[in-house]
Amino acid sequence: QSVLTQPPSVSGAPGQRVTISCTGNSSNIGARYDVHWYQQLPGTAPKLLIFGITNRPSGVPDRFSGSTSGTSASLAISGLQAEDEADYYCQSYDSSLSGWVFGGGTKLTVL
Amino acid sequence: EVQLLESGGGLVQPGGSLRLSCAASGFTFSNYAMSWVRQAPGKGLEWVSRITGSGGSTYYADSVKGRFTVSRDNSKNTLYLQMNSLRAEDTAVYYCARDRLWGSVDYFDCWGQGTLVTVSS
Repeated sequence: QSVLTQPPSVSGAPGQRVTISCTGNSSNIGARYDVHWYQQLPGTAPKLLIFGITNRPSGVPDRFSGSTSGTSASLAISGLQAEDEADYYCQSYDSSLSGWVFGGGTKLTVL
Repeated sequence: EVQLLESGGGLVQPGGSLRLSCAASGFTFSNYAMSWVRQAPGKGLEWVSRITGSGGSTYYADSVKGRFTVSRDNSKNTLYLQMNSLRAEDTAVYYCARDRLWGSVDYFDCWGQGTLVTVSS
């Protein structure tokens, strides 16, 4: 059971916009610890997608964006493409666990 | 080009031991903290352990504390994870990842391809 809660799955048609939530508590996101996001394509290692809530590494398209509010963070993907079909994970730090934590992951299906 | 290459995975019996290695190249290894992250079959990511660039400080998830030991040899650009008293629930792909500090929380900007550890009799 992850301390950061994500929906198991989301879906959308090509060109649409989807959001993936990441809900924490006062020991992690609510304590203003930064949130980062990763994309894991089938059969591959995770890849950094968003760092520091809103920043994209070089090469990540601006269709991907992040935000936070209170004890939650969100990843938004606009202009969905077939290549976006993957698992997405949020990551932060938890002071009560004294460790780095991941969300349970969300599988994005492009219809 | 930054590269991380894990090795040492395999099949081990419950209660056994295994040492994983992660060979780094393309960056000044000693300047970066490093982490191990694992992924059980069909499951999500779980942070396992972290070591600072100098090797002077180490951190562990509660699930492996007292059983796993992270270390590094900066002269060989290699990260290690010694795993003892292995359990079935340790079965996973183990990734090494480079840490970057951003604000209050590290993120993992480069990942290896992973090595599979299977604990079974």
